[in-house]
Amino acid sequence: GEDVEQSLFLSVREGDSSVINCTYTDSSSTYLYWYKQEPGAGLQLLTYIFSNMDMKQDQRLTVLLNKKDKHLSLRIADTQTGDSAIYFCAEKKADYKLSFGAGTTVTVRA
Amino acid sequence: SAVISQKPSRDICQRGTSLTIQCQVDSQVTMMFWYRQQPGQSLTLIATANQGSEATYESGFVIDKFPISRPNLTFSTLTVSNMSPEDSSIYLCSVVGQGAGQPQHFGDGTRLSIL
Repeated sequence: GEDVEQSLFLSVREGDSSVINCTYTDSSSTYLYWYKQEPGAGLQLLTYIFSNMDMKQDQRLTVLLNKKDKHLSLRIADTQTGDSAIYFCAEKKADYKLSFGAGTTVTVRA
Repeated sequence: SAVISQKPSRDICQRGTSLTIQCQVDSQVTMMFWYRQQPGQSLTLIATANQGSEATYESGFVIDKFPISRPNLTFSTLTVSNMSPEDSSIYLCSVVGQGAGQPQHFGDGTRLSIL
């Protein structure tokens, strides 16, 4: 199976919170990342968390890490139309290589 | 974070031809990588671009098809050789800056279509 798994789609109403979930397999991963890809654009690093942390908050973004279950989540508070994009979870492997999930397409509806 | 410039941003090419993609960073970086994103798919690592030596390729990718150069700490090129429609993808350069714990940043990608 894939190293990193994510649900493929999420639909959320504007103003609500979005939660995107991810599971990974490599317990030795030191960093886990969330990237955002808007249509026609490259990948934008949103946030990342070190494996010895449980939570990281950055403005509207909250990352939760459950290392025991190898589960990572990204919560976006007060979701806006500009948050519509594909969100990729990635784990850092040896030699800085990244293993990506399939991406979650987030659609924000009015 | 480093500013990464990729050229060209997009191209349409004929099958059988080759295209070289450039990645320029505005500061010295530790690592440079090349990824491929096929239509509607996630990212797959092609290779690690090593400064002054041959790139390290991932399984399924070979130097003859994807020659890579990295002459210094701020520049790398990826060539897609003898292109076929299956090579139609987004090709992305990524870098890791100098210093411990630096995250990986991506360029805007090169959107390649092969006719």
